[in-house]
Amino acid sequence: NAGVTQTPKFRVLKTGQSMTLLCAQDMNHEYMYWYRQDPGMGLRLIHYSVGEGTTAKGEVPDGYNVSRLKKQNFLLGLESAAPSQTSVYFCASTDGGRLGKNIQYFGAGTRLSVL
Amino acid sequence: GQQLNQSPQSMFIQEGEDVSMNCTSSSIFNTWLWYKQDPGEGPVLLIALYKAGELTSNGRLTAQFGITRKDSFLNISASIPSDVGIYFCAGATNFGNEKLTFGTGTRLTIIP
Repeated sequence: NAGVTQTPKFRVLKTGQSMTLLCAQDMNHEYMYWYRQDPGMGLRLIHYSVGEGTTAKGEVPDGYNVSRLKKQNFLLGLESAAPSQTSVYFCASTDGGRLGKNIQYFGAGTRLSVL
Repeated sequence: GQQLNQSPQSMFIQEGEDVSMNCTSSSIFNTWLWYKQDPGEGPVLLIALYKAGELTSNGRLTAQFGITRKDSFLNISASIPSDVGIYFCAGATNFGNEKLTFGTGTRLTIIP
């Protein structure tokens, strides 16, 4: 049971390049989330999904897009990377409040540098 | 958005000492969670709290859900080297989107 798997683990981009971060979970969770983690700022929510085919904006959505075509996958896209998007990105999933008691399970992170 | 104030930001302690950290919010939460993040890894759940006043332990860790629902505390007794890491509190307000609001973290360092 792998839990939440993120790929790639590391990536270096040049300003203006695009890329997609992949998150896969094998726990059949309904809810999935993308966060970014910057020094001294904790985890900030970028986008989230409450089910297959749905997405919603979080706290810091600008410059990112997401898709949830399959229940187990949640993709985060950067169309035109900027240095301000240098960060560590985490994906998380949960069964929700009633079943999963709000507990989110995290992947190991993707470390992205934009030069 | 909602803000969680977590303190202290960092702690430098000697092995064997007890540790206390807390989170305060400007609004009420229905759930408080405490996570630990090891270097190069994602956060891992330590303790979950669901009722005001609740006190829950997990080994040497004890956490409490504040009576006002606006704060939570985490204590670690007799710290050991593997306690090093960043500790995050997180709060949830409702069911439906299951979003969590995270504190800014407390970085724990153990001085040899």
